Amino acid sequence: GDSVTQMEGPVTLSEEAFLTINCTYTATGYPSLFWYVQYPGEGLQLLLKATKADDKGSNKGFEATYRKETTSFHLEKGSVQVSDSAVYFCALSFYLGDRNQFYFGTGTSLTVIP
Amino acid sequence: DGGITQSPKYLFRKEGQNVTLSCEQNLNHDAMYWYRQDPGQGLRLIYYSQIVNDFQKGDIAEGYSVSREKKESFPLTVTSAQKNPTAFYLCASSIFLGTDGYTFGSGTRLTVV
Repeated sequence: GDSVTQMEGPVTLSEEAFLTINCTYTATGYPSLFWYVQYPGEGLQLLLKATKADDKGSNKGFEATYRKETTSFHLEKGSVQVSDSAVYFCALSFYLGDRNQFYFGTGTSLTVIP
Repeated sequence: DGGITQSPKYLFRKEGQNVTLSCEQNLNHDAMYWYRQDPGQGLRLIYYSQIVNDFQKGDIAEGYSVSREKKESFPLTVTSAQKNPTAFYLCASSIFLGTDGYTFGSGTRLTVV
């Protein structure tokens, strides 16, 4: 079935390190792909999105490219900050039947240490 | 500014009580959703509604009920039939197709005391 698989955490990095969080998906059709971020005790915030193959979503220094050939949407940031410490969720969305289908990964916890 | 408001932020329930979590949006979104999040886990869909006066069960609807009498509002009732209700509850909304992604509220943390 349709699903999202993302890298398990927790991930701990030093400030200014390079970040990659892997996300792969399985879907029939052509889904839209998203990364959400959740800070402690808060709801999810949309970080970036891509709606078709080869699109690159970017926001706040984070980037992810929609790779149809590898069914991946890996999240990257060149230099992380302490304030990036949060849980990151990969998600996909597509319309099937009578409603929108939305699948979340299980989340990857990131801690950035000074 | 448009957004989703969930209230209260913290809620305590005694055994055998029903409690209602509020979710209001002013984004003019057609669809609304309720998710449950347990520590260290992903999100699980409880109920969703694509239009007013219509809603559907998600993956874990047992012990929960909802109503959608207004486009802006989608309250969730956690009934006494829900045996393990302690969790973080998230409300979300989207345009009808949902392909632009969801907008989330800030969540309600429910604890059974």
